Amino acid sequence: GESVGLHLPTLSVQEGDNSIINCAYSNSASDYFIWYKQESGKGPQFIIDIRSNMDKRQGQRVTVLLNKTVKHLSLQIAATQPGDSAVYFCADAGGTSYGKLTFGQGTILTVHP
Amino acid sequence: ETGVTQSPTHLIKTRGQQVTLRCSSQSGHNTVSWYQQALGQGPQFIFQYYREEENGRGNFPPRFSGLQFPNYSSELNVNALELDDSALYLCASRAAGTIFRTDTQYFGPGTRLTVL
Repeated sequence: GESVGLHLPTLSVQEGDNSIINCAYSNSASDYFIWYKQESGKGPQFIIDIRSNMDKRQGQRVTVLLNKTVKHLSLQIAATQPGDSAVYFCADAGGTSYGKLTFGQGTILTVHP
Repeated sequence: ETGVTQSPTHLIKTRGQQVTLRCSSQSGHNTVSWYQQALGQGPQFIFQYYREEENGRGNFPPRFSGLQFPNYSSELNVNALELDDSALYLCASRAAGTIFRTDTQYFGPGTRLTVL
């Protein structure tokens, strides 16, 4: 069945380091992907999205890379801060006639001061 | 803040009972989706409502049902609660099929349901 999964369930970095969170998806028809950040006790918060006609998209301190050949996404966070500590999910929003999001399990990012 | 609100924040029920969870979508968003998030897992799609009609459902039994109202609010109803229904229930809204169309779904804070 369809799945979106993450290679690393946990990631610990020092403040100021760059962080990279990876994600694999299985649905070849997917054409839209979103990264969400979820802090404890809160709902997922939109970070950045990318469509399948792009390989890279940049936001404020974040970059998403899409490799359609190997069905892989990554989220890069520059100069990681303690406030970035959270669970990060990639979600597959494409390939269906409605807006169903398929989430992976998530990566726990911990940033040490 | 996303403009999506949910109530109540927390809820405790016993097995076999029924529960109604509420969501108020962001203004202008005509599409609402509901998700179930078990502890340590990613959210799982339950169903989506567009213009007050269900137009997509995930792998959830019929005892999970919903309603969407013209004022952008919606409800998730769960009958005959089971222990495994304990989870965080999230709603997400977006604008579809209009000039304000957005594919991005914005989530509310969730309702934590505990079934004893």
